[in-house]
Amino acid sequence: KAGVTQTPRYLIKTRGQQVTLSCSPISGHRSVSWYQQTPGQGLQFLFEYFSETQRNKGNFPGRFSGRQFSNSRSEMNVSTLELGDSALYLCASSSEIMNTEAFFGQGTRLTVV
Amino acid sequence: GDSVTQMEGPVTLSEEAFLTINCTYTATGYPSLFWYVQYPGEGLQLLLKATKADDKGSNKGFEATYRKETTSFHLEKGSVQVSDSAVYFCALPVRGAQKLVFGQGTRLTINP
Repeated sequence: KAGVTQTPRYLIKTRGQQVTLSCSPISGHRSVSWYQQTPGQGLQFLFEYFSETQRNKGNFPGRFSGRQFSNSRSEMNVSTLELGDSALYLCASSSEIMNTEAFFGQGTRLTVV
Repeated sequence: GDSVTQMEGPVTLSEEAFLTINCTYTATGYPSLFWYVQYPGEGLQLLLKATKADDKGSNKGFEATYRKETTSFHLEKGSVQVSDSAVYFCALPVRGAQKLVFGQGTRLTINP
C-alpha cells in the first residue's frame, strides 16, 4: 500500500507570493490533516478535511486555507507569504475511525525569502 | 485542553546505553497514546501505540506502557544504536476530533 505522498518536497518563495502544497493520502483514507512544524513552535495543527469538508481548524490566520477533492487528495494554500511561514508542512492521513493514529508524508519544506 | 509534556532534550547517549524519554499527558478520558519518530529530513513515522490503560506498545526494541495512574507513556529501549538518532514525539488524539496534540519533541543523538 502506498504511503502518504506530498509534493513538492522543497519550495522557495518570495514574501507576498502564494503557494499551493499537495497531499495524496493512503488509499482508502478519507481524513487528511495538515500540520506546520517549526523549530520554535513545534508541531501545530492547521486543519483537517473529511469527505471534502473541513471538520477542524487550528489557530492560524485566514491566509492558510485548504481543500479536499472527491478522491481524498488535499491541497493547502498560503497566500501573501511572510518570512515566518517558512516551515516544514506535514500532511497526515487517517481512517474514518476517530482517535486513531495518523500516517504522515515526508513533508514539504517551504522557505520564504 | 489536552496536552503532552516531554522531557527536555537534547539527549546524548553512547551506543548500547539504556534510553528513557519521559512523556506525561493531560486529556479528557483515556485516549490512545502514540510515539512518533522523525529522522533527519523526513516526516513522522509511527513508532508505537497503546490504546488503553496498562497496554504496552512495542516496536524495533522500543517499548512504552500506558499508565493512567501517573498519566504517563514513557519511551524506553534497552540498548540504543547509532541508527536510533532522531527526534521523538509523544502524541495523543484530541477527543472527538481527528487531530493530534504533540509534545515538543526530544532530539536523541547516539554516539558510537
